[in-house]
Amino acid sequence: QSALTQPASVSGSPGQSITISCTGTSSDVGGYNYVSWYQQHPGKAPKLMIYDVSNRPSGVSNRFSGSKSGNTASLTISGLQAEDEADYYCSSYTSSSTLEVVFGGGTKLTVL
Amino acid sequence: EVQLVQSGAEVKKPGESLRISCKGSGYSFTSYWISWVRQMPGKGLEWMGRIDPSDSYTNYSPSFQGHVTISADKSISTAYLQWSSLKASDTAMYYCARHEQLVRWFDPWGQGTLVTVSS
Repeated sequence: QSALTQPASVSGSPGQSITISCTGTSSDVGGYNYVSWYQQHPGKAPKLMIYDVSNRPSGVSNRFSGSKSGNTASLTISGLQAEDEADYYCSSYTSSSTLEVVFGGGTKLTVL
Repeated sequence: EVQLVQSGAEVKKPGESLRISCKGSGYSFTSYWISWVRQMPGKGLEWMGRIDPSDSYTNYSPSFQGHVTISADKSISTAYLQWSSLKASDTAMYYCARHEQLVRWFDPWGQGTLVTVSS
């Protein structure tokens, strides 16, 4: 069982918007603005899409946006494209005494 | 270009030892930490542990403490992940990733090293 909870799957049609949630606790998502999101295509390494809750690295499309409310962070992808079909993982810094970071279990995005 | 390049796929038998590597380039290797992340077949990402290449300080997830060792050689900008006695359950893809002392994000990631342990 992962420390952060994500839906196993979401889907949307091209051009639509989807949102992926990531729920943690006050020791991780809720306590710090250090949530990041990663995109992973099959057979590829994860790629940073969002950092510090809502910031996009250079080169990442502005169709990707992030937000947070309480213990839940969200990734929104607008104007869905076929190339967005991938697995998405959230991650957060944690104040746990034994861990530095926790991941969500991942969400499979299907573009219909 | 900042990049991490990992060593190639490995096939080992249970009980054998193994060390895989992750070479950084395009940045000051001692200015960032390196973490190792496991992805078992069809599963999600698991943080294993991290190292500060400037002084080789390490800390591990309790799930991996005692079973793997993380090290680094700053003279050749390379971090390592090693096992002294592999198990079949170690079969997975292993990624290295760069981050700051406070793990706010991982970027970039290495391309991954597939480790297969089978008798």
